[in-house]
Amino acid sequence: GNSVTQMEGPVTLSEEAFLTINCTYTATGYPSLFWYVQYPGEGLQLLLKATKADDKGSNKGFEATYRKETTSFHLEKGSVQVSDSAVYFCALTLTSGSRLTFGEGTQLTVNP
Amino acid sequence: GAGVSQSPRYKVAKRGQDVALRCDPISGHVSLFWYQQALGQGPEFLTYFQNEAQLDKSGLPSDRFFAERPEGSVSTLKIQRTQQEDSAVYLCASTTARVPSYEQYFGPGTRLTVT
Repeated sequence: GNSVTQMEGPVTLSEEAFLTINCTYTATGYPSLFWYVQYPGEGLQLLLKATKADDKGSNKGFEATYRKETTSFHLEKGSVQVSDSAVYFCALTLTSGSRLTFGEGTQLTVNP
Repeated sequence: GAGVSQSPRYKVAKRGQDVALRCDPISGHVSLFWYQQALGQGPEFLTYFQNEAQLDKSGLPSDRFFAERPEGSVSTLKIQRTQQEDSAVYLCASTTARVPSYEQYFGPGTRLTVT
C-alpha cells in the first residue's frame, strides 16, 4: 500500500534557525508529493508540491525536492520565524484528483 | 471567494447518539473528500464524491458511517450510534479539474467528542 513517514516531533527551534523535517514515502505507483501546513485553529493549507522526480517545490521560503532514488521529500527552510509555528504534514497522491495519504504530522514551535 | 465551510465546528455527543456533520464545498468544485484526523495523527481518507456520486467509500471505518451529497454540492457525514473511538476532527476538502494539480482545499474541520 501507500504510506508516508515523517520524522518524529515535536520540533522546537529558535528564530532564524535552519529547519529540516524529514519525509519518506512508499507508493505503488509514481506519486505527486505535497507539504500541507495547519496553523492553530485553521484548516490545512497547501504549502508546496512536486509532481515528478527532481522537481523542487517552494513557497514562503520553504523548499522540498522530490527524490525518487531515496523516496524522500524533505522540507527545509533556511531561517524560520515565530509565525512558522504550526503542524506540517507530508502527503502523496497517485492520481490528480484522488485521495491524499498523509504522514502523522510534525509540530514545529519557533521561539523568539 | 468563500472557502470550504463546515458545521458545526465542535460537537459533543453522548455514546450511542447519532450525529450529522455538514460540509459546504467551494462553489463549482465537483470533487469532495472526507477525512478523519485523530488527535496527534495525520488525516485519513474516509470517502470521495464526484458530483453526487460516491465513487469511493473504502475508508469508512464501519457501517455506522454514512455520507451523502444528494445535489452534488453540500455533503453530510452521518455517524450512527457514536462510540468513543469516533472522537476526532472530521475534515472536508474539495477540488476540481480546473484547479492546478487538483489541489484540495480544506475546511476548518468539525471536532467531535464522544463522551
